Parts: sequence; structure tokens; C-alpha cells
Amino acid sequence: AQSVTQPDIHITVSEGASLELRCNYSYGATPYLFWYVQSPGQGLQLLLKYFSGDTLVQGIKGFEAEFKRSQSSFNLRKPSVHWSDAAEYFCAVAQYSGGGADGLTFGKGTHLIIQP
Amino acid sequence: DTEVTQTPKHLVMGMTNKKSLKCEQHMGHRAMYWYKQKAKKPPELMFVYSYEKLSINESVPSRFSPECPNSSLLNLHLHALQPEDSALYLCASSQDYGTLNEKLFFGSGTQLSVL
Repeated sequence: AQSVTQPDIHITVSEGASLELRCNYSYGATPYLFWYVQSPGQGLQLLLKYFSGDTLVQGIKGFEAEFKRSQSSFNLRKPSVHWSDAAEYFCAVAQYSGGGADGLTFGKGTHLIIQP
Repeated sequence: DTEVTQTPKHLVMGMTNKKSLKCEQHMGHRAMYWYKQKAKKPPELMFVYSYEKLSINESVPSRFSPECPNSSLLNLHLHALQPEDSALYLCASSQDYGTLNEKLFFGSGTQLSVL
């Protein structure tokens, strides 16, 4: 089955600094990858997704992610973080069986803390 | 309308109670999902409905009973739950099921506490 790994459980960044959250995938073919953000007690909001084509994907709220097949990575970046970016970030991959897409499998998440 | 609405937002129930979680979307999506999320953990898929038919049951205990009365509504009936079932229950929908262009829209969830 397809899977993603987020190696960082917590990341602390100063407000205004740049951010990179790591995600590595495990899948032989081109995976369908997503980044979601979740504020405490809330649902998940899609930031961006990658299916094919341009490997640099632009998302909402100033986020972007780059798909690198050679590194099996799909890291999320933002040039300058704001205090409101503090949240849990999940990388996810679409699961496929013989019948088609079965849903998303999420990484364990990275908790982003913003220092003033 | 690009929202998935879940009610109630919070629910406290005893182990002998019967309750239901509700989920509604009006985006014309034909696939709807229930996810369970424990604190500080990622969401885990429980059920998938496609065109109002149950497509996936991820070995969920029978004390959780999903129902899809129509294409806009998804319910999760709860009975004889255990304290370890306390979690955030998330509903999601997507335009279709089984396609390669899968974008899930999530509701805000129901925070369930079982006493």
C-alpha cells in the first residue's frame, strides 16, 4: 500500500521566517499527494495537491510544495510564516486498489509552532 | 456551497446510549467518507460510500453503523461504544470515488466523548 512519512513531529519557527515541512512517500509509480492543515478541534483543509505535470505546486495561504521523484519527497514550503499558520500539517497519499481510489492515507502529522 | 456540515460539534455519551452523527454536503459529490481521529494522531478511514452504497468498511466494529439515506447525507449510528472510541469523527466528501483526481472536502468534525 502507498504510504507517507513525516519525519518531524514538531517544528518551531519564528514568525516571518521561512518554513519547510518534510514528507516522504513510498510508492513505485507516481503517487497522488496532498497537504492538509488542521487547526485544533477542526476539520482538515486542503492546502495543495500533486497529480502530475509541473513538480512545483502552488497552494492556498502562500504555501507551495515540490515533488521530487529522485528523493521520494513532497516537501511543503512557505517563504514567511505568520502566527496564524500554527497548526497540524498532514501529508497524505491517495490509496488505490483494483477497484480504484480507496481514500487517503495520512502521515502522522507535523505540529507547527510559531515563535513571536 | 463548498461546505461539509457535521452535527453535533460535540457529543458526550454513556456506554449504553444510542446516538447518531450527521453529515451533509450540497456540492453534488457522490462519495462520502467517515474518518476517525484520535488526539495527536492522523485521521483513519472508517467507511466509504459511493453513490449511496457502502464501498469500504475498514474492519470497523459493528457498534458503528453507517447509513447514507441520500446522496447529500451521511449518518453514523453509535451504540454501546467504549471509552476508547472517544475521538474526533470527521466526515468528508469527494466528487467521485475510485478516480485518480481525489480531492476530499472535510467537515469540522464531531468531538465524541464516551464516558
